[in-house]
Amino acid sequence: EADIYQTPRYLVIGTGKKITLECSQTMGHDKMYWYQQDPGMELHLIHYSYGVNSTEKGDLSSESTVSRIRTEHFPLTLESARPSHTSQYLCASSRQKPGTGAYEQYFGPGTRLTVT
Amino acid sequence: KNEVEQSPQNLTAQEGEFITINCSYSVGISALHWLQQHPGGGIVSLFMLSSGKKKHGRLIATINIQEKHSSLHITASHPRDSAVYICAVSPYYGQNFVFGPGTRLSVLP
Repeated sequence: EADIYQTPRYLVIGTGKKITLECSQTMGHDKMYWYQQDPGMELHLIHYSYGVNSTEKGDLSSESTVSRIRTEHFPLTLESARPSHTSQYLCASSRQKPGTGAYEQYFGPGTRLTVT
Repeated sequence: KNEVEQSPQNLTAQEGEFITINCSYSVGISALHWLQQHPGGGIVSLFMLSSGKKKHGRLIATINIQEKHSSLHITASHPRDSAVYICAVSPYYGQNFVFGPGTRLSVLP
């Protein structure tokens, strides 16, 4: 059973505010990811990390930033929220399945962000 | 051309019908994943496949590596199966998943 948590689950905030979306996992996975998903649309990778002090931008350009100071924690920050940031943000972690070489991803429940 | 494609995009079925969702991909992969996302919910992994066929309850997933094609079947569909089903691959060239656009399934009572 995956243990990956996101807080808050829902957030409504005004333009210009700084926000941090929390993501934590208790599985000891090195690899973690942030995806953005607009309603009815596909997932887009915005950030990923392969371990502590490692962060990379994903395929979709994002004004958010991430940090990875501890293995279990991968927060995402928006310095100045705008209505265009309204979306669902999904965090995930992955591990290499023994014997196969393939990676399995485990997803958090998501944070639904609305910027007014 | 997207690296992972799914068909159909949307599917409406009557309760009890047999459902098939298709996925095709264009890159070499170490595994293919079928994911389920309920409205407003997170994503749950249904299957991870690298060859052959897997079955879990009413769900069956198959993959043909030579043809770069996978299918997800739902037997005796039920309204609680209504969700978005996403095909994703773990490509050889990297460690990040590549996702398909999803298939939105509605099963009517």
